[in-house]
Amino acid sequence: QLQLQESGPGLVKPSETLSLTCTVSGGSISSSSYYWGWIRQPPGKGLEWIGSIYYSGSTYYNPSLKSRVTISVDTSKNQFSLKLSSVTAADTAVYYCARIKIGFGPDYWGQGTLVTVSS
Amino acid sequence: SSELTQDPAVSVALGQTVRITCQGDSLRSYYASWYQQKPGQAPVLVIYGKNNRPSGIPDRFSGSSSGNTASLTITGAQAEDEADYYCNSRDSSGNHEEVFGGGTKLTVL
Repeated sequence: QLQLQESGPGLVKPSETLSLTCTVSGGSISSSSYYWGWIRQPPGKGLEWIGSIYYSGSTYYNPSLKSRVTISVDTSKNQFSLKLSSVTAADTAVYYCARIKIGFGPDYWGQGTLVTVSS
Repeated sequence: SSELTQDPAVSVALGQTVRITCQGDSLRSYYASWYQQKPGQAPVLVIYGKNNRPSGIPDRFSGSSSGNTASLTITGAQAEDEADYYCNSRDSSGNHEEVFGGGTKLTVL
């Protein structure tokens, strides 16, 4: 059974960089059939796609966040990571990592991790 | 980038049928996926592709699409179906971008 697990600080100061890692178990991140993505959900609000990465390193970002987002992959560790720079309170959200089946959207999700931006 | 529009809230009587819709230009080119999210939990995929259910999803959930509108139908809604539902598709730009609808809160009366 595929599992994804987010990890990283739960509290980040304004203007700093948010960093999260997603560890994939029960399957290979190097599969050609999937992308790996980050999705966030501010408290009480809807889902927002942040970006995705293919195992080869090709990346795709939400245009509204593109200037601040970097997603990377480490196939040797079966992990992929998110960095979001210059954070503000508006970036406070539950951050999910997910496997995205090409053409069909996210099919497996991590449990999510709450990241709060506050001084 | 594309947008997907959902009604904010829908209600259904226990055991009745309800349809939740999602509108957007990208749906003319790509299928929608549908997710159920209960409070404090991660979203769960319930429908993908033309009308496919992942293993473990009850067959009372079905999907359909016409033009720029995708629909999720729950036939014989149960109390445990009360949740937020989100649609998702690939962006119409074709750049491997994803887009989500704003979500529909389903209340089972």
